[in-house]
Amino acid sequence: SQELEQSPQSLIVQEGKNLTINCTSSKTLYGLYWYKQKYGEGLIFLMMLQKGGEEKSHEKITAKLDEKKQQSSLHITASQPSHAGIYLCGADAAGGFKTIFGAGTRLFVKA
Amino acid sequence: SQTIHQWPATLVQPVGSPLSLECTVEGTSNPNLYWYRQAAGRGLQLLFYSIGIDQISSEVPQNLSASRPQDRQFILSSKKLLLSDSGFYLCAWSVYAGAMRTEAFFGQGTRLTVV
Repeated sequence: SQELEQSPQSLIVQEGKNLTINCTSSKTLYGLYWYKQKYGEGLIFLMMLQKGGEEKSHEKITAKLDEKKQQSSLHITASQPSHAGIYLCGADAAGGFKTIFGAGTRLFVKA
Repeated sequence: SQTIHQWPATLVQPVGSPLSLECTVEGTSNPNLYWYRQAAGRGLQLLFYSIGIDQISSEVPQNLSASRPQDRQFILSSKKLLLSDSGFYLCAWSVYAGAMRTEAFFGQGTRLTVV
């Protein structure tokens, strides 16, 4: 079965610093999703990547999918306290009927 | 616009008691529906998914069951709760736009504590 590994598990950064979160799949990714979750709340969709080499940006967050479609990265530029939360990557599985998730990366931003 | 309702927001139940969590989606037809569980410090574990009424796939053997009595209603149940059933339960939906499935949209979750 397909598995997603995220790194790091947790991250503490100073406000204004850049950071990168990685997501690696055991199989080729056909749909890769990035979500953000605040503690005790539902998941907020950030971006979806499908094509090898694809890159998308939203405000200060950029996500990339590598050419081999087995690894994705999420990069935050000039982090702010509002970026704090849990970032999860998800991938389509079982012919696209369901989405599986990595364990998440917990981000803390120090003001 | 589409919305998803999940309730209750929090629940404290004794071991051995039954459970019923409800999720309803508005503003879309024939959605794919999902139940996930998030244990403390762990990622999202897919419990059940459904592509239609009475069509439910179970992902992991466990003490829980799911039902979909109506197109936009998904219910998570247990006859007798275990301590290990504690966690944060999330309902989600997605639909097909042409040949592609949209991203999953999540409810606000139910925090279940079994005591």
